[in-house]
Amino acid sequence: AQTVTQSQPEMSVQEAETVTLSCTYDTSESNYYLFWYKQPPSRQMILVIRQEAYKQQNATENRFSVNFQKAAKSFSLKISDSQLGDTAMYFCAFMKHDNNNDMRFGAGTRLTVKP
Amino acid sequence: DVKVTQSSRYLVKRTGEKVFLECVQDMDHENMFWYRQDPGLGLRLIYFSYDVKMKEKGDIPEGYSVSREKKERFSLILESASTNQTSMYLCASSVDRGGYTEAFFGQGTRLTVV
Repeated sequence: AQTVTQSQPEMSVQEAETVTLSCTYDTSESNYYLFWYKQPPSRQMILVIRQEAYKQQNATENRFSVNFQKAAKSFSLKISDSQLGDTAMYFCAFMKHDNNNDMRFGAGTRLTVKP
Repeated sequence: DVKVTQSSRYLVKRTGEKVFLECVQDMDHENMFWYRQDPGLGLRLIYFSYDVKMKEKGDIPEGYSVSREKKERFSLILESASTNQTSMYLCASSVDRGGYTEAFFGQGTRLTVV
């Protein structure tokens, strides 16, 4: 089974600054998806950004971007111009790209944006 | 909008009870998942289903079973609840269409077993 590792249990950043959350994964698959999900105090999981493994270009969604290093099996999330509303748990996730595409998550990083 | 609905937001059950957690999605998704979320451990996959009546064990299936009789509904069953099953349970659904996929989550059920 695939494993996802987030090595930073907690991080903090000043409002308007930039922060990078780390994620590594282990798989023998060649075709897969990677995701970052956000879980605010409301508990609702929200998709932040996704990346297809076959795409070399790093995904970007407004203030959120990733650094996808396929050979190194690394998938970090960069949040620019951090806002108070970015305070949440962030989970990195891996999904196989086949008919039985189960999804595995990391342990999460708790991000606090300070005013 | 895709909607994944879990039957309860909070639940308190007694040790030894049989517990049913229900999840319904309204977007005709093939894949459905049950996760358990605990502090420091993230989301751990209990079971997933890729079609009606089909199921696969995840990382922590012991003490749980699942049922998927209809495409839109995926039930998690605790055969005999124990205190170590006190946790947050999250249901999700997804579909892979045209190379695009995304998982959508319910609001979670916080289960306390006393």
